[in-house]
Formats: sequence, C-alpha cells, structure tokens
Amino acid sequence: AQSVTQPDIHITVSEGASLELRCNYSYGATPYLFWYVQSPGQGLQLLLKYFSGDTLVQGIKGFEAEFKRSQSSFNLRKPSVHWSDAAEYFCFTNFGNEKLTFGTGTRLTIIP
Amino acid sequence: DTGVSQDPRHKITKRGQNVTFRCDPISEHNRLYWYRQTLGQGPEFLTYFQNEAQLEKSRLLSDRFSAERPKGSFSTLEIQRTEQGDSAMYLCASSYRGDIYEQYFGPGTRLTVT
Repeated sequence: AQSVTQPDIHITVSEGASLELRCNYSYGATPYLFWYVQSPGQGLQLLLKYFSGDTLVQGIKGFEAEFKRSQSSFNLRKPSVHWSDAAEYFCFTNFGNEKLTFGTGTRLTIIP
Repeated sequence: DTGVSQDPRHKITKRGQNVTFRCDPISEHNRLYWYRQTLGQGPEFLTYFQNEAQLEKSRLLSDRFSAERPKGSFSTLEIQRTEQGDSAMYLCASSYRGDIYEQYFGPGTRLTVT
C-alpha cells in the first residue's frame, strides 16, 4: 500500500544548528514529493517540491531537500535554523491520480 | 491574488446539528481540495473538485458529509448530524491544473462539536 512516514514526532534543535527532518515513502514508483510547514494559527505553506530531475531541490526560507530513490526518502535540511523555524513540518506525496497523503508531521522546537 | 479563504474560521456546534463551511479558492485555480486535520495528525484527504465536478472522495467522507462546487468557484462542505468525532480542523486548498500538484492552503475552519 502507498504510504508516507515521518519517523520523528518531535525534534529539538539549538538555534544556529543544522537540521534534518526525515521522510520515507512506500510506492512502486517515484511519487511527487513536497514539504509543507504549518505554524500555529497559520495555513500550510509549501517549502519545496520534487517531481523529477535534479535530486537536490532548493526551497524557500533556506530549506533544501534531497530525493534518494534507493532509500525511498525525501529528507528536509537546513544548515542553520532560526527561532522562527519552530513549527510543524509535513511531508506530502501525490502518488498519482491525486492519491494524496500527508505524513503525520514532525514538530520542531528551537532552543536558544 | 488574495489567497485561499475559508469561512468561518471557528465553529462551535452541538452534537446532532448541521454545519456548513465555505472555501473560496484562488480565482484562476480550477482544482479545489478538502482535508481534515485532527490534533497531532497530518491532514487527511477528503475530496477534490476539478471545476464543478467532484472527481474523488475518500472513504473518510461518510454519508453525513457532502461537498459541492456548483459554479466551479467557491465550494461548501456540509456535515449533517454532527458527532464529537467530527471535531477537527477542516482545510481547503486549491491548485491550477497547469501546475496541478502544487496546492495552496487556506487557514482552515476549526470545528468543535460539544
């Protein structure tokens, strides 16, 4: 069955440290992959997306993600986090024909 | 471009009552999606429209739920005979078929059933 997994429910990172949020999918082909961020009281905002081509994609707010077919992963990274990055992050997949699935989310806490 | 809007932002209702939510997508977007998000979970897909046609419905969309997009512009989601388990955030998103996989989300309607 098609699925997407975010193994980390909650991550705490010091301000200025690097960040990696994990996303794994289960599917027989490469789905369309996205990362969204949800801040308290805010709507979901698209950070970046991957359809095909270059496996390292750049997004907004200094985020990037790398697609690894061999690991069925699409991990989100940021070299240096800011306090404003504290939020909930969701990996989202479109398995084709609008089979749309969000991961359960990773809550990011930033400590000074 | 004013973004996707949803109304109301909050709704408190008593069990058994009917509620209706409205979503106004970005004007040139022809696809409109509804999701439900419960506390601590990711959004779950409910249904989507292309123009006025409802093309997909999730098993989550029980008979008490109905969605419409009569003129291919705004959409409504109605829940009849609400239950406490319906308490959730209801999210609407829209996309343009030329870029069909990039969805823009509204702020959501938080429903509390007492």
